[in-house]
Amino acid sequence: DIQMTQSPSTLSASVGDRVTITCRASQSISSWLAWYQQKPGKAPNLLIYKASSLESGVPSRFSGSGSGTEFTLTISSLQPDDFATYYCQQYNSYPLTFGGGTKVEIK
Amino acid sequence: EVQLLESGGGLVQPGGSLRLSCAASGFTFSGYAMSWVRQAPGKGLEWVSVISNGGATTYYADSVKGRFTISRDNSNNALYLQMNSLRAEDTAVYYCARRTAVNTPAPFDYWGQGTLVTVSS
Repeated sequence: DIQMTQSPSTLSASVGDRVTITCRASQSISSWLAWYQQKPGKAPNLLIYKASSLESGVPSRFSGSGSGTEFTLTISSLQPDDFATYYCQQYNSYPLTFGGGTKVEIK
Repeated sequence: EVQLLESGGGLVQPGGSLRLSCAASGFTFSGYAMSWVRQAPGKGLEWVSVISNGGATTYYADSVKGRFTISRDNSNNALYLQMNSLRAEDTAVYYCARRTAVNTPAPFDYWGQGTLVTVSS
């Protein structure tokens, strides 16, 4: 199974900050990586797919990069609506696996 | 508008069974693979199972293999998860999620709101 490791697990930031979350795969997944945002009591929402493609309707302050085993999600200027938990997910092979999540909190 | 609406969750005793349903609308259901993903209280996301658009191909997480069965009814735009021999560790919110295909790399682009399954005596 491919293990996905996210860091940090918690991140404290202020509105306007540039935020970067890292996701590492235990083996190469090419660019088959997605990022999701989840708010309390809600379903996850797809932000980025194929490592760097922005899902329709997602603000352009979100961006993704990487390939192989190292990936990043960047929020260029954190907005109040962005305080949430973020998950990476590999869809290169079964079993599909998620990272442990990164909670972005208000500093 | 794509909508996925889960139902069937509830409280069940260890060793018991439960059948979850997901009603789909707003898209051509038979054209998409579908999946179940769960989230234990306060924990992260765990993929459970996937089924191809026609229902012929299925995959399961090792943690549920042999106990859970995924199925679909394309004539009624419905996805199911039959859960048997339930354990306390199966307690979670269960989401249905849409995927473009089962054997072509694709993310989950739409999710339902989830249904809570609690396994406890």
